[in-house]
Amino acid sequence: AQTVTQSQPEMSVQEAETVTLSCTYDTSESDYYLFWYKQPPSRQMILVIRQEAYKQQNATENRFSVNFQKAAKSFSLKISDSQLGDAAMYFCAYKGVPQGGSEKLVFGKGTKLTVNP
Amino acid sequence: GAVVSQHPSRVICKSGTSVKIECRSLDFQATTMFWYRQFPKQSLMLMATSNEGSKATYEQGVEKDKFLINHASLTLSTLTVTSAHPEDSSFYICSARQVQETQYFGPGTRLLVL
Repeated sequence: AQTVTQSQPEMSVQEAETVTLSCTYDTSESDYYLFWYKQPPSRQMILVIRQEAYKQQNATENRFSVNFQKAAKSFSLKISDSQLGDAAMYFCAYKGVPQGGSEKLVFGKGTKLTVNP
Repeated sequence: GAVVSQHPSRVICKSGTSVKIECRSLDFQATTMFWYRQFPKQSLMLMATSNEGSKATYEQGVEKDKFLINHASLTLSTLTVTSAHPEDSSFYICSARQVQETQYFGPGTRLLVL
C-alpha cells in the first residue's frame, strides 16, 4: 500500500521569506499523481499544486513550486515570498492512476505552517 | 475553478436522530465523490467512495448501515448519519473528482451530537 510521510509536524517562516515543506512517499507504481492541499483555519481544503509523475518538469503556481524527485520519491513544496494568508495546515497527497491503481487520495499527516509578521 | 458545496455547514442534533449532509458539485459533473472524516489536528480519513448510480464503496471499519451514502446524480451525493451518537461528532468533508484526477473539496460540515 502507498504511504505518504510528512516529517515536519510544524514549520514557521518570516513574512516575505521562503519555506520548503517536505514530503516523501512510497509506491511501486510508475505512474501516479501528487498533490499539495492547504487547509486554513476555515478548514476548507484548497488545492495548491499538482504534479503528474510522468512529467519531469516541476509544477509551479505563482509563489508555489515543487521539487519532484521521482527516484528519491520526494515531493517538496516551496513557498516563496510567504504571506500571512499562507498560514495553514499543508497536506501532501498521492493518487494512483485508474488503471490498476486506486481512486483514493492517500494523505500525509500534515505540516502546520506559521507565518510570522 | 471547480466548486463544491456542502450543506449544512454545521449541525447539532440529539443522540438517536439521523442527520443528512449534502455535497454538490456546482459547476461540473462528478462521476465520483468521496466522503472523509477529520478529527481535530489530524489528517483526513476516507470513509467511502461514491460513484453515481451505484453503491458506495466503504473503507474498512466504516459501518455502511450507519453512514448511508447516496449518489443519485452527477452533481449530488448525500451522507446520512443514522442514529447518531456523541462519538459520531466530527468534521465531515466531501470531495468531487473532476477530470485529470484532481479532487476538489467542499467546505465541510461540523456535526455535534448531544
